Amino acid sequence: NAGVTQTPKFRILKIGQSMTLQCTQDMNHNYMYWYRQDPGMGLKLIYYSVGAGITDKGEVPNGYNVSRSTTEDFPLRLELAAPSQTSVYFCASSEGLAGVNEQFFGPGTRLTVL
Amino acid sequence: GEDVEQSLFLSVREGDSSVINCTYTDSSSTYLYWYKQEPGAGLQLLTYIFSNMDMKQDQRLTVLLNKKDKHLSLRIADTQTGDSAIYFCAEGGIDNQGGKLIFGQGTELSVKP
Repeated sequence: NAGVTQTPKFRILKIGQSMTLQCTQDMNHNYMYWYRQDPGMGLKLIYYSVGAGITDKGEVPNGYNVSRSTTEDFPLRLELAAPSQTSVYFCASSEGLAGVNEQFFGPGTRLTVL
Repeated sequence: GEDVEQSLFLSVREGDSSVINCTYTDSSSTYLYWYKQEPGAGLQLLTYIFSNMDMKQDQRLTVLLNKKDKHLSLRIADTQTGDSAIYFCAEGGIDNQGGKLIFGQGTELSVKP
């Protein structure tokens, strides 16, 4: 199993450009998450999904959109990139069953907006 | 709202014990977690503790939970240079809507030879 994969690894955007960060998991997990990580701030939840066709906002959703048309894929869309969106983005997934909620993380996408 | 707090840095010598501390606010959390992030990588679950336990030991790792004070700690015995990483405390559980976790800021552990 590849686990959680993310593309691209790195990206530089100009202010106002748009892009989609891709995330795929091959563990048949129900739950998927997008986080951003800023230095000294920990991880902040952007959006999450409890199954195909269901998404919900996390703590910092402004400026982002998501969709979940399949169990495997959970892309994150930035429509009008701003310098405040410079960050490292992590996608994660979990089984969503009762009990320990181990989240499995992708390797991250480092995004710079200039 | 829910919050998780950690100190940002810890430096120890190889062979010493490391203790990383965390405080949290949500007393309804079913599980509390420690995740490890190595440089340039995503987070990986290191260990967890069920909220009705006060201690869990797993090889060199000891987790202590004080529910009254909402304090969680991770002790790493015989710390090695390979333990250098960022350690995140997190609270949450499947009882939370969407299985969401609330992460602390992360403690960067530096192990000097």
